[in-house]
Amino acid sequence: QQQVKQSPQSLIVQKGGISIINCAYENTAFDYFPWYQQFPGKGPALLIAIRPDVSEKKEGRFTISFNKSAKQFSLHIMDSQPGDSATYFCAASDSNYQLIWGAGTKLIIKP
Amino acid sequence: DVKVTQSSRYLVKRTGEKVFLECVQDMDHENMFWYRQDPGLGLRLIYFSYDVKMKEKGDIPEGYSVSREKKERFSLILESASTNQTSMYLCAIRTGGRMRGYTFGSGTRLTVV
Repeated sequence: QQQVKQSPQSLIVQKGGISIINCAYENTAFDYFPWYQQFPGKGPALLIAIRPDVSEKKEGRFTISFNKSAKQFSLHIMDSQPGDSATYFCAASDSNYQLIWGAGTKLIIKP
Repeated sequence: DVKVTQSSRYLVKRTGEKVFLECVQDMDHENMFWYRQDPGLGLRLIYFSYDVKMKEKGDIPEGYSVSREKKERFSLILESASTNQTSMYLCAIRTGGRMRGYTFGSGTRLTVV
């Protein structure tokens, strides 16, 4: 019930393409769904987050799509650039504020 | 912006040594966390602390302990290092509020030989 399942584990996308990373959860008490981005040698940094009262949130080239009935959410990176190459983590939390993390996706954008 | 500093970027220790990993924040946040990161396993919570002298076990506390004597400092202790504790260790603080954001340090890559 506490797990957040993330896929794929790794992803290669051509420059200019759309990168899509998916996450699924079971615990219906989760009410906050962030995505973190981690570059080599750095800690993860908050990229974008969504709450279940909206189905989509967009910030620049990054969009979270949220499907409450399916208990799934995804990160879309439009016009993917080599600088987007990083590891991406989805997460979820409930009112206790402790984050439950996905296993991570290593994204490589090929020039 | 808040800054989270981990004292070492790379450490090499011998099996059986006692290892201290230090984490310091430059603000007054109450919630601090220690994670380990391994390929394919994501971030696994070792211990966390809500306040000075308070600690709670996370998902994988075995072989570790923590100390929080001052609000700004949260230390992870490996009482007797083993090779299966070779990993990347990340300290984080929760900045609180509705955004519930976490700020991470840059990590310590520990190798136990």
